[in-house]
Amino acid sequence: EAQVTQNPRYLITVTGKKLTVTCSQNMNHEYMSWYRQDPGLGLRQIYYSMNVEVTDKGDVPEGYKVSRKEKRNFPLILESPSPNQTSLYFCASRPGTVSYEQYFGPGTRLTVT
Amino acid sequence: GNSVTQMEGPVTLSEEAFLTINCTYTATGYPSLFWYVQYPGEGLQLLLKATKADDKGSNKGFEATYRKETTSFHLEKGSVQVSDSAVYFCALSVLDSNYQLIWGAGTKLIIKP
Repeated sequence: EAQVTQNPRYLITVTGKKLTVTCSQNMNHEYMSWYRQDPGLGLRQIYYSMNVEVTDKGDVPEGYKVSRKEKRNFPLILESPSPNQTSLYFCASRPGTVSYEQYFGPGTRLTVT
Repeated sequence: GNSVTQMEGPVTLSEEAFLTINCTYTATGYPSLFWYVQYPGEGLQLLLKATKADDKGSNKGFEATYRKETTSFHLEKGSVQVSDSAVYFCALSVLDSNYQLIWGAGTKLIIKP
């Protein structure tokens, strides 16, 4: 089944404790991205990657890191999480830059206390 | 710049009622327009799209027409069901934003039996 998977689905952590949210897609898509969803703000893009070893900042990159060492994986790293990073995070992929449909993972709900 | 404005929710309707969710946009160039749907506890999925003026996208009984003269892409359904309860996002993409998706804030739809 074609899908985007994220882990963990739920995470509660404390301020400053490094964490990684994994994202993997099995559709051989070139383009992957991370979003955060907050009430009233819709989806805001954190980082995106057009291909292996090619990443770029989205609208809200501060406090996040990403890497794209292989095509299928695009982990999101929070080196020192803070409470304002409490949010619902989505990973998404699509076949290429001009491909219209994005495929979303199920989301990761992160709480930082 | 590029932006999407959606009507605020929640929108509450009775089953079999007619639905309209308004979406207007500003964009440089010629955007493609999308509606995505997010069911409770899930990621977003593409509902319908339109890539040029006067195109009508349709899926699962939902329709939206790309109106360049009014810069709108309103979502409609003639008879809603309880299973349509979800959050609906309007989005656009344009060449000059490297086809990044620009999102509206989302509209929560609640259908009562």
